[in-house]
Amino acid sequence: DTGVSQDPRHKITKRGQNVTFRCDPISEHNRLYWYRQTLGQGPEFLTYFQNEAQLEKSRLLSDRFSAERPKGSFSTLEIQRTEQGDSAMYLCASSLTSGGETQYFGPGTRLLVL
Amino acid sequence: GQNIDQPTEMTATEGAIVQINCTYQTSGFNGLFWYQQHAGEAPTFLSYNVLDGLEEKGRFSSFLSRSKGYSYLLLKELQMKDSASYLCAVSGSRPGNTGKLIFGQGTTLQVKP
Repeated sequence: DTGVSQDPRHKITKRGQNVTFRCDPISEHNRLYWYRQTLGQGPEFLTYFQNEAQLEKSRLLSDRFSAERPKGSFSTLEIQRTEQGDSAMYLCASSLTSGGETQYFGPGTRLLVL
Repeated sequence: GQNIDQPTEMTATEGAIVQINCTYQTSGFNGLFWYQQHAGEAPTFLSYNVLDGLEEKGRFSSFLSRSKGYSYLLLKELQMKDSASYLCAVSGSRPGNTGKLIFGQGTTLQVKP
């Protein structure tokens, strides 16, 4: 399978715990995006990488959130001190080069914070 | 500000045609995308419009008018498997050109027998 993969698919955690999600993009794609989606809403942009450089972060991304893409391939999204409001589907997408290129989404990680 | 509007829900009959509208106001524009999302699954790409006009792809067509900030997705010969959420998204908001997508809330389409 050469699509975008995400791990884990589901995560249940207690409030205050830290969680980390992984995204493996399509191999030749140099752009990687993280989005968050809550029930009944469209995805909301969180952050964007071109190769290993994080070039944009949404104001939605509080200082409890951090993302990395150390070698320009896979990416991780960490949430520290989780809150119940962090419960959502976290989607990763990748694309080639410039804006206007189609983004292909992974299956998502569904987070539930108790 | 940036705003994308689409109807929340629509219902249609199997075999019929349905049109899902999307209006947008964004700070930049580098194309409009339609994605299909089944419940609990990731969005899957349907169509991309950057120039005015109609793009046809099998049973699905998408139209764009940049001057009106308007698009629609047309689904023909509806099948039960078309029951899903349809997401309208705009790419290319300024500053920069990161390609990030701004999504509407999605239109949940229910196809009935």
